[in-house]
Amino acid sequence: AQSVTQLGSHVSVSEGALVLLRCNYSSSVPPYLFWYVQYPNQGLQLLLKYTSAATLVKGINGFEAEFKKSETSFHLTKPSAHMSDAAEYFCAVSETGSARQLTFGSGTQLTVLP
Amino acid sequence: DSGVTQTPKHLITATGQRVTLRCSPRSGDLSVYWYQQSLDQGLQFLIQYYNGEERAKGNILERFSAQQFPDLHSELNLSSLELGDSALYFCASSEAMNTEAFFGQGTRLTVV
Repeated sequence: AQSVTQLGSHVSVSEGALVLLRCNYSSSVPPYLFWYVQYPNQGLQLLLKYTSAATLVKGINGFEAEFKKSETSFHLTKPSAHMSDAAEYFCAVSETGSARQLTFGSGTQLTVLP
Repeated sequence: DSGVTQTPKHLITATGQRVTLRCSPRSGDLSVYWYQQSLDQGLQFLIQYYNGEERAKGNILERFSAQQFPDLHSELNLSSLELGDSALYFCASSEAMNTEAFFGQGTRLTVV
């Protein structure tokens, strides 16, 4: 069985500060891991995905995430927050890479303060 | 714009009624997935179709059904609606079974 835990349902950062959104997963096989972003009244947009090619994954909009097997973590970071980053972020795991078996975390709402 | 189109964007209906949500996948995508996003359950996978055939079922209620038509668009039918069915319903599509999926903007269903 697979599961995802996102620590912190709400995170606030100042504009220009580091963004760190935490995700821990559980999977019985080497997982595929994803971060999605949802802007208000929008669908889910894929930020980045880990598919075992490299442990540090770079995504869109300056985000990146590092896969740490020993910690079963896949935290999302961005060096400098921008006002436009305010959104809800979802971490997801799949044992096959297929969207049919995506298990999502409960989401983290990111607020960027001016 | 992901290329996945969902209609309608908003739907308000009464308990006990039946509604149909429509999804047009990206051009060339054969696989369609339906997800439900609710406050208490979060994002949950409901069902997947691939080239017209049902391929996987998740936490889909018996009151819900779906199909994928020859032109690859899909419909999610929700019947005997209850207040708890109020949620955002997403459709996603992918080119093949195990490729990246692209999500539509969702249909917000409110049951009153």
